[in-house]
Amino acid sequence: DVKVTQSSRYLVKRTGEKVFLECVQDMDHENMFWYRQDPGLGLRLIYFSYDVKMKEKGDIPEGYSVSREKKERFSLILESASTNQTSMYLCASSSGTATYEQYFGPGTRLTVT
Amino acid sequence: QQQVKQSPQSLIVQKGGIPIINCAYENTAFDYFPWYQQFPGKGPALLIAIRPDVSEKKEGRFTISFNKSAKQFSLHIMDSQPGDSATYFCAASMQGGSEKLVFGKGMKLTVNP
Repeated sequence: DVKVTQSSRYLVKRTGEKVFLECVQDMDHENMFWYRQDPGLGLRLIYFSYDVKMKEKGDIPEGYSVSREKKERFSLILESASTNQTSMYLCASSSGTATYEQYFGPGTRLTVT
Repeated sequence: QQQVKQSPQSLIVQKGGIPIINCAYENTAFDYFPWYQQFPGKGPALLIAIRPDVSEKKEGRFTISFNKSAKQFSLHIMDSQPGDSATYFCAASMQGGSEKLVFGKGMKLTVNP
């Protein structure tokens, strides 16, 4: 079974703090994704990576950056957290072999106060 | 601009009912249409998917109907059970798109005993 793990299930941070969300997958997948999930807005893509050190902006990249130094690990960085970044953050991976299936982690519920 | 429109936003049915979730898309380059199921506290997981060369696909109690000319697809859940209570997302993707998915806003289904 593919396993995607996220470093924290719940996180509370203060406005202005730098926040790191970590995601690890164990299936040697090429592609990794970061989404945020908000009620009534569905899943919105923040950034994705199709290879180590390669990244592309998604639909809502403002206020976020990412890092992928190793194939299995994809980090989402909030440079200066703001209250409007309070959300559920979901990481996903896919094989890159045109099967298209994305495997999701359990999510990190981030609250910025 | 939302590329995949999903309706309704929520639905309550009795056990044994047949909930239907509808999605519509604009981009004719989409060629893969999955449905994801998300239980509370979990990440979404692939439920069933279809490509536009077929009009219907069944897996157990779940059926996707696809209408290419109308650019619409829907999920039917036969003999629904309380365990089907979850949030359902439709999505779409296209070849050469790094396996990116564009998600609908989701529908919360409640199946009462």
